[in-house]
Amino acid sequence: DVKVTQSSRYLVKRTGEKVFLECVQDMDHENMFWYRQDPGLGLRLIYFSYDVKMKEKGDIPEGYSVSREKKERFSLILESASTNQTSMYLCASSRDGNQPQHFGDGTRLSIL
Amino acid sequence: EDKVVQSPLSLVVHEGDTVTLNCSYEVTNFRSLLWYKQEKKAPTFLFMLTSSGIEKKSGRLSSILDKKELSSILNITATQTGDSAIYLCAVTGTNAGKSTFGDGTTLTVKP
Repeated sequence: DVKVTQSSRYLVKRTGEKVFLECVQDMDHENMFWYRQDPGLGLRLIYFSYDVKMKEKGDIPEGYSVSREKKERFSLILESASTNQTSMYLCASSRDGNQPQHFGDGTRLSIL
Repeated sequence: EDKVVQSPLSLVVHEGDTVTLNCSYEVTNFRSLLWYKQEKKAPTFLFMLTSSGIEKKSGRLSSILDKKELSSILNITATQTGDSAIYLCAVTGTNAGKSTFGDGTTLTVKP
């Protein structure tokens, strides 16, 4: 079974801090994704990556950056955290564009 | 821009009822439509529908793709309390690596 592991289940940070969310998958998948999930707004794509060192902006990239130095790891970075980035963050991976995505359990991030 | 609309946004039923969840989409160069179930944590994959596979069934759950109407339905028969979850619909188009998700339908099944 594919396992997608997110480093923290819950995280509390302060406004202005630089925040790192880590995601690791163990199935050698090409594609990795970062979403945020807010009540009534569904899953919104922040960034995705289809290869090492490659990244593409999703629908809401502002205030975020990503890093993919190794195939199995995809990091989401909040450069200067703000309260409107309080949300549930979900990481996902897929073998390719024609396969379903496998999700991690999510990180519930609170910015105070 | 790709768009997915799910209805209803929420639904409350009793055990044993049958429910139908709807998903309509606008996407450039449609490739696939996927249904996911999300309970407390990670969404889990249910079905993938494509031009070559427009009907899928697994136990009490089934799904149909209507490419003419640009929509899909997810049916759940003889609902159980364990079916309570958010059901997410997503479509994949030109950019095959990327899926666009709807807002989800929250289903609550009461005993």
